[in-house]
This record gives sequence, C-alpha cells and structure tokens, in this order.
Amino acid sequence: DGGITQSPKYLFRKEGQNVTLSCEQNLNHDAMYWYRQDPGQGLRLIYYSQIVNDFQKGDIAEGYSVSREKKESFPLTVTSAQKNPTAFYLCASSPRGADTQYFGPGTRLTVL
Amino acid sequence: EDQVTQSPEALRLQEGESSSLNCSYTVSGLRGLFWYRQDPGKGPEFLFTLYSAGEEKEKERLKATLTKKESFLHITAPKPEDSATYLCAVQPSADRGSTLGRLYFGRGTQLTVWP
Repeated sequence: DGGITQSPKYLFRKEGQNVTLSCEQNLNHDAMYWYRQDPGQGLRLIYYSQIVNDFQKGDIAEGYSVSREKKESFPLTVTSAQKNPTAFYLCASSPRGADTQYFGPGTRLTVL
Repeated sequence: EDQVTQSPEALRLQEGESSSLNCSYTVSGLRGLFWYRQDPGKGPEFLFTLYSAGEEKEKERLKATLTKKESFLHITAPKPEDSATYLCAVQPSADRGSTLGRLYFGRGTQLTVWP
C-alpha cells in the first residue's frame, strides 16, 4: 500500500531533550512538509522540502530542524530550544510543490 | 498577509438536516483552495481542490463551491459518520517564489451530526 507513515504515534519527552519524529512516504512524491497543530488553531508550517537535500523554513521553524537526505524520508527534530513543543505533528507530501498535499496519521508529542 | 477564516467554529446538526460551512480567504492570488476532513487524533483526509471561481466539486453528501472571496462546503442530509472537523486551506499563486506549494489553513469547523 502506498502512503505516508509517521512514527511513533505518541512520544513523551523530558524537558531539555531532543527528539526526532519520523516521516516516510512511498508515493514517490518530491515535496514533503511538517506542520504543527494545536487545539483551536490552524495547522502551522514548520519546514518544507521540494527536492532532496533542500528545505525551507516555514512560519514557526525556531527550535526545530530537518534533513532531506532521501526522497522518501523527512525527519523532524524537536530541539530543547523549542519552548512549547507539546502538540500534534503532521507530515504531508505532494507530487510536486504546487500539488495537493496528503497527510500522514500524525505524532502526538508531550513534554513531561 | 494571507488569511483564512472558517465559520462557524462548531456546528451541530440533526441527521438529515442540510447546512453549509464557510471558508473566507484573502490572498494576493489564489492557485487553489483545499478542503480536508479530520477525525480526532488522525491526520487530515483530502476531500476537494478548487481552482477557479464558479467551480464545484461533489463527493457523496458533500459539495464544495468557490467564489472569488470564499468557499462553501455544503452537506446534504448528513449522517452521524459525517461528524468530523473540516479544514479549509488556500495555496497562493505559483509566482510567489519561495511560497510555492505552501498552504495556509483555517482553524476548522467542528461538525457534529446526531441521530
């Protein structure tokens, strides 16, 4: 089955720790995205990548980092510099940058 | 600044009671408007893309329409399984350079359909 997978589904982090959220797609899509969703707010763009080895900051990139070494993978690291990381994180991909985006199932991160 | 506003924030309907959800937007140029459905604790599921004013798309009990300032998601004779949060997103024109491909989301309308 083609699709987007995110792991883990739930993640707990202690303050001061870095954690990495996984996003993998087997749709052969060029573009990938990371969004953050908080209760009562719209999805906010963290980072996006339109081709391998290239990525751009979104609206709320501070405290986050990404890499795009392979077309199918776009991991997100939440660093200790992110002051309020508890949220629902969504990864998306699209065939090209301007096409419809398809979302993964999400990772819920909780800081203890 | 690009903005997307959805209304109402929450809507409760009795099964079979048709209604509409609104998405108003302000962008310097619209490449596409997207509707998604999101169930609790899950990722958004793509429903429709609309590209130009006057365009309409249908899927089962849902119909999306687009004008130059807003989009409507019409729900005809809803069923309890239609209960979800419906998200609207706009994609600015491709000539925006570095913003190519990015979406701007509204806060969503939480729809509850009771039997």
